[in-house]
Amino acid sequence: GAVVSQHPSWVICKSGTSVKIECRSLDFQATTMFWYRQFPKQSLMLMATSNEGSKATYEQGVEKDKFLINHASLTLSTLTVTSAHPEDSSFYICSAAPGETQYFGPGTRLLVL
Amino acid sequence: AQSVTQPDIHITVSEGASLELRCNYSYGATPYLFWYVQSPGQGLQLLLKYFSGDTLVQGIKGFEAEFKRSQSSFNLRKPSVHWSDAAEYFCAVVLGGSQGNLIFGKGTKLSVKP
Repeated sequence: GAVVSQHPSWVICKSGTSVKIECRSLDFQATTMFWYRQFPKQSLMLMATSNEGSKATYEQGVEKDKFLINHASLTLSTLTVTSAHPEDSSFYICSAAPGETQYFGPGTRLLVL
Repeated sequence: AQSVTQPDIHITVSEGASLELRCNYSYGATPYLFWYVQSPGQGLQLLLKYFSGDTLVQGIKGFEAEFKRSQSSFNLRKPSVHWSDAAEYFCAVVLGGSQGNLIFGKGTKLSVKP
């Protein structure tokens, strides 16, 4: 149990376009999901906490207008990188917690050209 | 401030040898403790966790970890490493009772020599 999926697994886009990443909890409901960013050879950095039916909570320094989060249902949260630029290229990972243990998706690698 | 320290950035062991990855935390209270493993280009897989009770916890893939309150440590061990164990290992903590605020160490990369 406790499986989290992400789609797409990788995406390449042109600078200035927007990219949507989906995170789904497959076998449990998640009122809260988390979005992380990971730079090469570094640890995970929490970007925001996604709350079903309400606004996301962003960590300090994360631009909420750049990284739009929508948690429309108990099994789906989306992260939209708006007007993407090369510096947004990274590995984005989501997680969800059926209890007090977070389970992670496989990640989405974003490359902005 | 709360923090997690993994003092070893990179460790290389021979296949079949034992392994210990170190993790220390700085927290006012006893947090919930986790070890995750990440293969290249993949998400994180939970190896094991400690919330309370027996301080020696067993996880998947033959891993175990021991919580030592006096040392604020939660070291990961495996008696015999397999080549497939080569990956990045992250120790993480969260304040008990809260779903968020999962704080990660910087990770330890494990290489396995044949």
